[in-house]
Amino acid sequence: SQQGEEDPQALSIQEGENATMNCSYKTSINNLQWYRQNSGRGLVHLILIRSNEREKHSGRLRVTLDTSKKSSSLLITASRAADTASYFCATDPLTGRRALTFGSGTRLQVQP
Amino acid sequence: ETGVTQSPTHLIKTRGQQVTLRCSSQSGHNTVSWYQQALGQGPQFIFQYYREEENGRGNFPPRFSGLQFPNYSSELNVNALELDDSALYLCASSSRTEANEKLFFGSGTQLSVL
Repeated sequence: SQQGEEDPQALSIQEGENATMNCSYKTSINNLQWYRQNSGRGLVHLILIRSNEREKHSGRLRVTLDTSKKSSSLLITASRAADTASYFCATDPLTGRRALTFGSGTRLQVQP
Repeated sequence: ETGVTQSPTHLIKTRGQQVTLRCSSQSGHNTVSWYQQALGQGPQFIFQYYREEENGRGNFPPRFSGLQFPNYSSELNVNALELDDSALYLCASSSRTEANEKLFFGSGTQLSVL
């Protein structure tokens, strides 16, 4: 089963615009991560935010975490055509099986 | 590009057959996790191996089994293939301490079951 659900499922924007993706999850977590997947390829780790953090930045990426709402958002600023990919959130649960659980992903299309 | 390599890249099998997928982990990584990704879905955790022993398993039947070798490479075996087993199978390696903080994925094996 999927722990996280991303919203929207698909997003199409123009180059230079910002892209925001949201993730909701169900159980308490140690951390939440975002991964990127180019079509049919492996996933690449983008950024990790711990449960005691509220916001984190890495280059053009900004991640927020609201543990009270069990939600996170990923903002990509000044998007580029090369950002076209699927983006997944993954959660590390606080209890139970210690394995990352991925959401269903947001497919981002950046038009040049 | 990560240092995780998977083979083969594509595979076609028929229902009822058995398949073995292989993964070489990134240098310095001693933990390997396997995921199944159906088309349009996120990866689903199959199991994880650490020091040649299974160290956690997802909701997959026993016909999904694995091995980890002393050099930390790994195999995923699936017996009695079913049509629903058609998916991208991803291997991910990590250090033990970062097993739930940063996974390095291979490019996957695309399995088609006819």
